[in-house]
Amino acid sequence: NAGVTQTPKFRVLKTGQSMTLLCAQDMNHEYMYWYRQDPGMGLRLIHYSVGEGTTAKGEVPDGYNVSRLKKQNFLLGLESAAPSQTSVYFCASSQGDRGSYEQYFGPGTRLTVT
Amino acid sequence: RKEVEQDPGPFNVPEGATVAFNCTYSNSASQSFFWYRQDCRKEPKLLMSVYSSGNEDGRFTAQLNRASQYISLLIRDSKLSDSATYLCVVNIPGGSYIPTFGRGTSLIVHP
Repeated sequence: NAGVTQTPKFRVLKTGQSMTLLCAQDMNHEYMYWYRQDPGMGLRLIHYSVGEGTTAKGEVPDGYNVSRLKKQNFLLGLESAAPSQTSVYFCASSQGDRGSYEQYFGPGTRLTVT
Repeated sequence: RKEVEQDPGPFNVPEGATVAFNCTYSNSASQSFFWYRQDCRKEPKLLMSVYSSGNEDGRFTAQLNRASQYISLLIRDSKLSDSATYLCVVNIPGGSYIPTFGRGTSLIVHP
C-alpha cells in the first residue's frame, strides 16, 4: 500500500516549456487535490476533483489544467511554464464526504522554472 | 482578509514547556477542522481532527470555539521532536467543502 505517490520528485523547466505532474493513490479515495506551497505561504489549492471524470477550480487555477480520467490518478498540466510557477506541488486524496475526512499527501514535486 | 489565519511565529520554547497556537477563520458556516504537522521539506500529515467538544491525544489538545471562530492547539511537555510547522485546516463551504489551509505556525523546541 503505497498511499499517494507523485511523479516526478524534481524538475527544472525553461520558461514556455510544458509538463505534466502525475499523482496516483491506491486507497480508492473519491476526492483528489493539487496544491502549491511557496515560502512563507500555506498550501494553496490549484484544482480538485470530487470523483472520476470531474474537476473544479481552486484558489489559484490560472496557468494549470487537470484531468481525472481514472479514479486513482489526477494529472496536473502546465502548458507554458512561467517563473512564477516555481514552487513545491503537493497532491492529496481523501475519502470524500464534504471534506470531513483526513487528507493524505504525496511527497511533493519540486519544480523550478528558469 | 484571509479566510484562515495563523500567527507564523516562530514560537521558540524550551523542552518541557507548554505552548498554544490559535487559528482564526472567517466563514461561520465552516465545517470540519484539523491540525496538520509539516516537517521541513516534507508533506503535511494529520496531527488531529478538532471536534466541537474538544479532544485530546496524549500531550496534544485541540479545541474549537465556534462563537469566536477559532481553533486552538495546546502542546504540553514539549519535546525536541515537536519542532515543525503546524498547519490548521478549515473546510470552507463552496460547491463542495474546500479544505483551506492557514500559512502555518513554526515551532522550535530547544534544549
